[in-house]
Amino acid sequence: SYELTQPPSVSVSPGQTARITCSGDKLGDKYTCWYKQKPGQSPVLVIYQDTKRPSGIPERFSGFNSGNTATLTISGTQTMDEADYYCQAWDSTTAVFGGGTKLTVL
Amino acid sequence: EVQLVESGGNLVKPGGSLRLSCAASGFTFTNAWMNWVRQAPGKGLEWVGHIKSETDGGTTDYPAPVKGRFTISRDDSTNTVYLQMNSLKTEDTAVYYCTKLRGIAGAWYVDLWGRGTLVTVSS
Repeated sequence: SYELTQPPSVSVSPGQTARITCSGDKLGDKYTCWYKQKPGQSPVLVIYQDTKRPSGIPERFSGFNSGNTATLTISGTQTMDEADYYCQAWDSTTAVFGGGTKLTVL
Repeated sequence: EVQLVESGGNLVKPGGSLRLSCAASGFTFTNAWMNWVRQAPGKGLEWVGHIKSETDGGTTDYPAPVKGRFTISRDDSTNTVYLQMNSLKTEDTAVYYCTKLRGIAGAWYVDLWGRGTLVTVSS
């Protein structure tokens, strides 16, 4: 079965750039999306179709996907960005989530 | 208001059954592909399955861990999607989210999440 691998945790200082990776076999040939989840809340879509931002998502969130790795980049990270982030892609008609990355802003 | 509201979560014994419901409002439900995602306590997100719109065939797909035990159905007359769960196992314990899919082939994404309903499987 298809797998997506994320680092368990990423730390960044406020104002710096955070990069969260998601790896999978030939992931660049698929579309990837990213969800943000704060404790006790439902996930929220932050990036879809590799690079697109939904309405209401700040411009500091961006995405890129090529080769075997998709990357979520948060520029000028703010304390409010601290959350768990999940990548997701489709393998034929099966949805696959990455294991999630806890972003700590300190 | 655009929303999804799940109900039906409960404590159930291993081997038991449970049906979750999800009431949709604020969008054209008949055109929507609906999806269930679960999250075990302290764990990540896991896809449980989806159902296409009736105009797209109304077919379903499930991952291996639930295939043959879980069934997703929909009632477009009441804007409701269901998740029937049979032969429940302790590892099915999770918050179950009802979600709406959007996008194009191979590029679907969840653009709307419910608040989730907790299913606990324990003796």
